[in-house]
Amino acid sequence: DGGITQSPKYLFRKEGQNVTLSCEQNLNHDAMYWYRQDPGQGLRLIYYSQIVNDFQKGDIAEGYSVSREKKESFPLTVTSAQKNPTAFYLCASSTTGTGAAAFFGQGTRLTVV
Amino acid sequence: DAKTTQPTSMDCAEGRAANLPCNHSTISGNEYVYWYRQIHSQGPQYIIHGLKNNETNEMASLIITEDRKSSTLILPHATLRDTAVYYCIVRAYTGTASKLTFGTGTRLQVTL
Repeated sequence: DGGITQSPKYLFRKEGQNVTLSCEQNLNHDAMYWYRQDPGQGLRLIYYSQIVNDFQKGDIAEGYSVSREKKESFPLTVTSAQKNPTAFYLCASSTTGTGAAAFFGQGTRLTVV
Repeated sequence: DAKTTQPTSMDCAEGRAANLPCNHSTISGNEYVYWYRQIHSQGPQYIIHGLKNNETNEMASLIITEDRKSSTLILPHATLRDTAVYYCIVRAYTGTASKLTFGTGTRLQVTL
């Protein structure tokens, strides 16, 4: 099946620990994105990447880091510097053509205790 | 990117058409209108998008007014599974990645 896979679906971590969320796509899309969603809120962009080995900060990048070593993969690390890491994290991908639509994974719900 | 305004919530009877409005009065000529929906605790699902012509696919129809200042997403025969939050987004094509900016959307409740 073609699509975007995020793993795990649920993740628990202790406060102060870094944690990496996985995102893999087999859609041959150049662009990938990470969003964060808090209860009752819309999505906010954390980081995005237009091409391998390149990425840019979104609106709320502080406390997060990413890498894009392969076209298919765009892992997100939530570091201990992120003050409120508990949230629903969503990965998406798209082509970079005119009017391209982004397609989302099913999300990872991170709970930090 | 232009800002959008949507009603907070709407109800629709099952089997009837659901018409979800969106206002984007400051839209620019190169901005597309996108619709996504999100069912609780799942990732947003792409529905449809358009620039200035009306669009239809297997999920829905998108009607964009001639002045492009507003649009309506139409689900022709709503079912209980269409209960979700629907997001209307406008975005310019800048030759870069699709930085979609999500608002709080419209919560559509489909009832028996």
